[in-house]
This record gives sequence, C-alpha cells and structure tokens, in this order.
Amino acid sequence: GDSVTQTEGLVTLTKGLPVMLNCTYQTTYSPFLFWYVQHLNEAPKLLLKSSTDNKRTEHQGFYATLHKSSSSFHLQKSSVQLSDSALYFCALSANNYAQGLTFGLGTRVSVFP
Amino acid sequence: DMKVTQMPRYLIKRMGENVLLECGQDMSHETMYWYRQDPGLGLQLIYISYDVDSNSEGDIPKGYRVSRKKREHFSLILDSAKTNQTSVYFCASSFGIANSDYTFGSGTRLLVI
Repeated sequence: GDSVTQTEGLVTLTKGLPVMLNCTYQTTYSPFLFWYVQHLNEAPKLLLKSSTDNKRTEHQGFYATLHKSSSSFHLQKSSVQLSDSALYFCALSANNYAQGLTFGLGTRVSVFP
Repeated sequence: DMKVTQMPRYLIKRMGENVLLECGQDMSHETMYWYRQDPGLGLQLIYISYDVDSNSEGDIPKGYRVSRKKREHFSLILDSAKTNQTSVYFCASSFGIANSDYTFGSGTRLLVI
C-alpha cells in the first residue's frame, strides 16, 4: 500500500537558520504530495502541494520540489522564524479513491530565539 | 468564509458514556473524514464519508460509528466510550477524494475518565 515517511520526529533550531524536513513516499500510482502545518492547539492547514515532477512550489517562504526519481518531497525554508514552530505533516494522494490522503507521522519544529 | 466547524471543542466523559462529536462544513464538499490524533501516531483515519449515507471504514473504525444525513454535516459517535479513546478528534472535508486537499476543523479534545 501507499506510505509516507518523515524521518525526523523533532527538529530544533535557532531563528534565522535554514531548515529542511524530509518526506519520502511509496506508491505505484502517480503521486500528488502535500505539506500541512499545524500550530499548537490549531487545525492542520495546507501549506503547499504539487504533482509536477522537478518543479519547485512555494508558499509563505516555504518551498518544496517533487522528485519522482527519488520519491521525495522535502520541505525547506531559508530562514526560520519563531512563528514557524509547529507540527508539519507530509501527505500523499495517489489515486487511492477509497481512503483519501496518506499522512506521515509528522515532524515537530521548535524554533528558539 | 469557507470553514469546517467542530463541536464541542473540549469534552470530558466517563467511561461507558455515549459521545457525540459534530462536524459541519459550508463548502458543499462531497467528502468528509474523521481522524484522531495521538502523540507519535500522527493522524489516523477513523471513517470516510463520500456523500450522504455513503460511509466507509478507515484504518481504526473499531469502537466508532458515523452518521451523515446531510452533505454539510458529519457526526462521530462513540457508543460506551473507553479510556483509550481519549484523543484529539479532527473532522475534515474535501471537494473530492483523489488529489484533493483537506480543510480541517479545529478539533475536539476528548478526555474519557
């Protein structure tokens, strides 16, 4: 079946530094990848999405590129802010009409001053 | 304003009591979902609803049932709640299933004592 792997459970870093959150996936279908962000005690919200191979997509300073050759969709930001502290989920839609999105376990990002 | 509304936000129930979690959306989305979120386990799909009276079990349906009598409203019912059902429950909706991003509600924090 389809799966999404996020290798880091927790990432801690200082304000102003770059960050990359890893996301890899497995599917036999054509993938559509999403990143969701969930701030403390809030609902997950869509951050960005892509189904186009090797094309960078950006939103709110975050960016990601879907690489079908390596089954990856890593999330990056050049300079994190305190407000970026949140839980980040990678999710996969792969023509699984029965179950919707497949989510990774999430990566918690904590940014310190 | 397009949104998913969950009621109540916080709920404390005794073991064995029945629990009703309500979810509404104002986007005429066909598909709605119930997830639970536990630390380290990510978002686990409980039920998915494709439209009125068209529901399907997700990954962890045991102990839960759902009802969808109107497109904009999707309920999660716990008959005789158990302490291991203490969790944060999220409702979500999407326009379709394949390659559709979700709109999440703000969640219901349920404590079963």
